Amino acid sequence: DAKTTQPTSMDCAEGRAANLPCNHSTISGNEYVYWYRQIHSQGPQYIIHGLKNNETNEMASLIITEDRKSSTLILPHATLRDTAVYYCIVRPPPSNTGKLIFGQGTTLQVKP
Amino acid sequence: EAQVTQNPRYLITVTGKKLTVTCSQNMNHEYMSWYRQDPGLGLRQIYYSMNVEVTDKGDVPEGYKVSRKEKRNFPLILESPSPNQTSLYFCASSLRGEAFFGQGTRLTVV
Repeated sequence: DAKTTQPTSMDCAEGRAANLPCNHSTISGNEYVYWYRQIHSQGPQYIIHGLKNNETNEMASLIITEDRKSSTLILPHATLRDTAVYYCIVRPPPSNTGKLIFGQGTTLQVKP
Repeated sequence: EAQVTQNPRYLITVTGKKLTVTCSQNMNHEYMSWYRQDPGLGLRQIYYSMNVEVTDKGDVPEGYKVSRKEKRNFPLILESPSPNQTSLYFCASSLRGEAFFGQGTRLTVV
């Protein structure tokens, strides 16, 4: 699985958009980008995933660059409850059910 | 509601006393796994199961056992716990790359 690089920590003001970057320059053609988050020692929670097109769901948007070497997770209106560790994971296609390799993630602190 | 349930949530035990952490999912997923989370080391996979009666080692399997007699349950067994198994444990079940995690079991071995 490709390695990802994320900033260790970020701050965001409540109500503003939180943009969390992830570099995955060694991603291969059939690998997907997944995002999970973990709120203070709770179980990680799936957020979104994508291959090459931008994706949006009720939680967030995922923007993947055209060369697929990096991506950005966007929380459009961050709330205090979005304070968490966010993990960017690159893995085989969804049809391949396998382990998730968690890095250190980005600690997002949403401030009032 | 789709969920993965682990029990117990918290456990303090003594070295060498066998214990089992239970995990149950209600989504009919074939793939289930166990992770442990330690400060500075992140989440690491212990064991996984592709289906009933099919289990395999993850990255840190030493000192653990699992079983998968039915699709919904995937217990984690520590035959002789040691202090280095003090950790936060998560069970997960997955479908097509999306994993659902339990709330965790905080285990302390003294």
